[in-house]
Amino acid sequence: SQQGEEDPQALSIQEGENATMNCSYKTSINNLQWYRQNSGRGLVHLILIRSNEREKHSGRLRVTLDTSKKSSSLLITASRAADTASYFCATDPFQSNQFYFGTGTSLTVIP
Amino acid sequence: SQTIHQWPATLVQPVGSPLSLECTVEGTSNPNLYWYRQAAGRGLQLLFYSVGIGQISSEVPQNLSASRPQDRQFILSSKKLLLSDSGFYLCAWSLNRAQPQHFGDGTRLSIL
Repeated sequence: SQQGEEDPQALSIQEGENATMNCSYKTSINNLQWYRQNSGRGLVHLILIRSNEREKHSGRLRVTLDTSKKSSSLLITASRAADTASYFCATDPFQSNQFYFGTGTSLTVIP
Repeated sequence: SQTIHQWPATLVQPVGSPLSLECTVEGTSNPNLYWYRQAAGRGLQLLFYSVGIGQISSEVPQNLSASRPQDRQFILSSKKLLLSDSGFYLCAWSLNRAQPQHFGDGTRLSIL
């Protein structure tokens, strides 16, 4: 299956610390996206990184992509209690009509 | 600005009953539209996507169907619900496959 796998499944940190989540996938992709989901709500797009990019930043978010290892990481710096949510990666594989979402990392930021 | 509306927010249906979930998008034309299902504590599974009116694609065999009667309206249906159809259903739109997807708030469907 192309489905991405996030690691860790759950992460609990203190406010102000950094949070790192990883995503691995199986086949070549056009792009990789990270989304955030608050409990019981729809997903909110965070960052899209294309296969020819290695790193992107958006505010306190930093995403890296290593296509040779078929992996990506999301770093949230100086975390806040409001960052508590589930984070998903999604891949857009070559020659496929599917989008594949991972199973997510549940992040808890303790005030 | 663009908005996406999805309703109802929650739905409880008996096994064997029909289903109709509606999703509409405002503020954009000819969007790509998507229906996803999310099982509890899991990622999203793409059920259907559409690139235009009357154009529906699915790569997952299932008990559900989708229709796009208007440019910005996407409907998820079933003639007879199964227990396994329970879940959180999410509609999304994007300008094209290479662009971010924007999600509605979802419908939590419980089958009794």
